[in-house]
Amino acid sequence: GQNIDQPTEMTATEGAIVQINCTYQTSGFNGLFWYQQHAGEAPTFLSYNVLDGLEEKGRFSSFLSRSKGYSYLLLKELQMKDSASYLCAVQDSNYQLIWGAGTKLIIKP
Amino acid sequence: DVKVTQSSRYLVKRTGEKVFLECVQDMDHENMFWYRQDPGLGLRLIYFSYDVKMKEKGDIPEGYSVSREKKERFSLILESASTNQTSMYLCASSLGTDTGELFFGEGSRLTVL
Repeated sequence: GQNIDQPTEMTATEGAIVQINCTYQTSGFNGLFWYQQHAGEAPTFLSYNVLDGLEEKGRFSSFLSRSKGYSYLLLKELQMKDSASYLCAVQDSNYQLIWGAGTKLIIKP
Repeated sequence: DVKVTQSSRYLVKRTGEKVFLECVQDMDHENMFWYRQDPGLGLRLIYFSYDVKMKEKGDIPEGYSVSREKKERFSLILESASTNQTSMYLCASSLGTDTGELFFGEGSRLTVL
């Protein structure tokens, strides 16, 4: 079956760095997405990886290793507004998205 | 900016009632999707549509139907609501021929009593 695993909850301190991991087993691979979802709001797109390596976008970076079925989202210089759920999703061979359950990130002052 | 608008943020219905959830997008996107989001589970695809009057079943279509009469509008219908359909329903749209980046609506939280 298809499966996306990510930690349920993580806690970090304002100003610090946090890495949210995502491992996947899917029928084919056509890219991996990260979305951010604040409580009570719609998910919003953060990043897309289809080739191995690191994609950097401001304070956020996303890494992919296709051979290991592994990705991480790296958040630097954490701010209180980064408190949210982070959703990992993999596009399978049919270009359908398979979603992880999300990681709730709690930022403490 | 792409805007995806869902008609109702909160609904409370009784078991057996018919429920309509409306979704409208303003960016001429080809693809539209209905998901449900439940605690501890990933987003689950109910139905999707790649074109007007076209629909495809997702992973959990049972108990639901959809309608896409116009490109910008995608409706989710619960013919006879049940308590296990209490959930957050998210509509999304995307431009590309594959799923691509999704743009989500704010969600409709449905409670079935």
